[in-house]
Amino acid sequence: DVVMTQSPDSLAVSLGERATINCKSSQSVLDSSNNKNYLAWYQRKPGQPPKMLFYWASTRESGVPERFSGSGSGTDFTLTISSLQAEDVAIYYCQQYHSIPWTFGQGTKVEIK
Amino acid sequence: QVQLVESGGGLVKPGGSLRLSCAASGFTFSDYYMSWIRQAPGKGLEWVAFVSSGGNTLFYADSVKGRLFISRDDAKNSLYLQMNSLRVEDTAIYYCARGAGAFDVWGQGTEVAVSS
Repeated sequence: DVVMTQSPDSLAVSLGERATINCKSSQSVLDSSNNKNYLAWYQRKPGQPPKMLFYWASTRESGVPERFSGSGSGTDFTLTISSLQAEDVAIYYCQQYHSIPWTFGQGTKVEIK
Repeated sequence: QVQLVESGGGLVKPGGSLRLSCAASGFTFSDYYMSWIRQAPGKGLEWVAFVSSGGNTLFYADSVKGRLFISRDDAKNSLYLQMNSLRVEDTAIYYCARGAGAFDVWGQGTEVAVSS
């Protein structure tokens, strides 16, 4: 199974400051045949199901604010919130869909400092 | 609007059975691959099972293979998870989700508790 490891487990960021979450896969999730990274990011707010933010590592889902960005390739990926807003407090998960079983990172909790 | 609504969760004894349902609306259900994903108390998200559009292709996590069975009824716009030989470690919130790997729509979840 592909193990997804996120860092840090939690972070506290001041409003308006940058938040950066890292995600590392135990195997590459890049498909060389189409040059796509099979990596998604989700946001989970209390009492709600996860909401997809990005797929193909950096393709923003409709309606996701531009302050969110996804980057990376192969085994190393990053989710960045350029200017943290109060409504961004949530747990963020990365997930690979390159190989079955599809697997999630353990989650990173983002809070306001 | 696009919506998935799960039902059928509850308390069951180890070894028992349960059938979860997921009602889809707001999109052409038959066109989409569907999955079940769960989250146990204090644990992370775990993909459980997948069914292709048309229902011909099924995949399962090793932890549930041979005990949990995914199916769909496109005429009823519904997804199902038949859960047999339940174990304490199957206790979780079960979500149905749209997609094959990248899940763009999730239901609110239904809670399953396996306890004697």
